[in-house]
Amino acid sequence: DAGVTQSPTHLIKTRGQQVTLRCSPISGHKSVSWYQQVLGQGPQFIFQYYEKEERGRGNFPDRFSARQFPNYSSELNVNALLLGDSALYLCASSLYPGQGLNQPQHFGDGTRLSIL
Amino acid sequence: GENVEQHPSTLSVQEGDSAVIKCTYSDSASNYFPWYKQELGKGPQLIIDIRSNVGEKKDQRIAVTLNKTAKHFSLHITETQPEDSAVYFCAASLSNAGKSTFGDGTTLTVKP
Repeated sequence: DAGVTQSPTHLIKTRGQQVTLRCSPISGHKSVSWYQQVLGQGPQFIFQYYEKEERGRGNFPDRFSARQFPNYSSELNVNALLLGDSALYLCASSLYPGQGLNQPQHFGDGTRLSIL
Repeated sequence: GENVEQHPSTLSVQEGDSAVIKCTYSDSASNYFPWYKQELGKGPQLIIDIRSNVGEKKDQRIAVTLNKTAKHFSLHITETQPEDSAVYFCAASLSNAGKSTFGDGTTLTVKP
């Protein structure tokens, strides 16, 4: 079975632009979470979506938004890009929102976003 | 919110030796503790996890221990191999939440 797939793998943007990142979860997984990983640090939680509804939000500005589609795929949008938005953006999927009942999160390989 | 501290930030061992990575967490409500391995250019890969009702879990050369009272948990890798070289992350979360709080990682180098 295919794992979590993310596109594009790399992206270069300039300050002030907008970007959309895409994620397809593992087949059967209904929950998608987004994380930002800055070089040298652990992933930081941005959003979680389940059944097309936002179920959690991390400490990120309103420039960050996301949505989940009926097929459980998801998009992360970032407006008015800043240099500090340069990072690896990771998507993780799980069967349900919680980590209980042996439902760990499975990560994709991420989108490397560089802001010039 | 939850805060996870991870030590050491870098660890170098000889092939065949053991490696231990330690993490502490701040929120006593956290009850799920996964460990991830991240190789260059890849996303984090779950290698083992432990829930708060268990003190220790083992999977071949990898084991994790949890001390709820002290709020710390550790990853133990025995008989290390060069392919174990990677960045390892600990994380803490609530079982009914879809977010994990990660440590800042440990870069493990296993020298042949």
